[in-house]
Amino acid sequence: NAGVTQTPKFQVLKTGQSMTLQCAQDMNHEYMSWYRQDPGMGLRLIHYSVGAGITDQGEVPNGYNVSRSTTEDFPLRLLSAAPSQTSVYFCASRGGSYNSPLHFGNGTRLTVT
Amino acid sequence: DQQVKQNSPSLSVQEGRISILNCDYTNSMFDYFLWYKKYPAEGPTFLISISSIKDKNEDGRFTVFLNKSAKHLSLHIVPSQPGDSAVYFCAASERGTSGSRLTFGEGTQLTVNP
Repeated sequence: NAGVTQTPKFQVLKTGQSMTLQCAQDMNHEYMSWYRQDPGMGLRLIHYSVGAGITDQGEVPNGYNVSRSTTEDFPLRLLSAAPSQTSVYFCASRGGSYNSPLHFGNGTRLTVT
Repeated sequence: DQQVKQNSPSLSVQEGRISILNCDYTNSMFDYFLWYKKYPAEGPTFLISISSIKDKNEDGRFTVFLNKSAKHLSLHIVPSQPGDSAVYFCAASERGTSGSRLTFGEGTQLTVNP
């Protein structure tokens, strides 16, 4: 059981470039989300989805787009990368119960120069 | 503003002793709290949780205490083991959001020395 799979593990971008961080889960979870982790700031919610076709903004959504066309996949798009988006990005999913814990992927370390 | 705060960036304890990790929150609408553990180069993994209707939840060596009047929770690990060395995040969920929006603290690096 793979759980939550994130690709790539590492990425270096130049300012202004675009890219998509991939996230896939095989647990049939309705809820998926993206967090970024920065030193001294913990994990901050970027966007989340409660099911296919439904997305909403989190705490720090600016500069990022998401879509949810299938239950399994929740890609995060950076349209024009900025140095402030240098971070470690984590995708997470959980089952339908409110009290169910999040299952995290192993992260994508992104550097924007 | 930081609604969930972990004021100790790091904590070092001896193997076999108790580790106490602390977390404070400001939002009185938080009604569910969780602790996650993170090893380097891995994603966080769920450790233990507590609902606001309780003041204590225990799972093996891990116990979480919630003091709602002080808006404070703590994670106790007894006895601590070297494998517990990791970053610990507390997180909170706000009533009415169906758990969709977790707010995390900054994390505390726990080091357990053999």
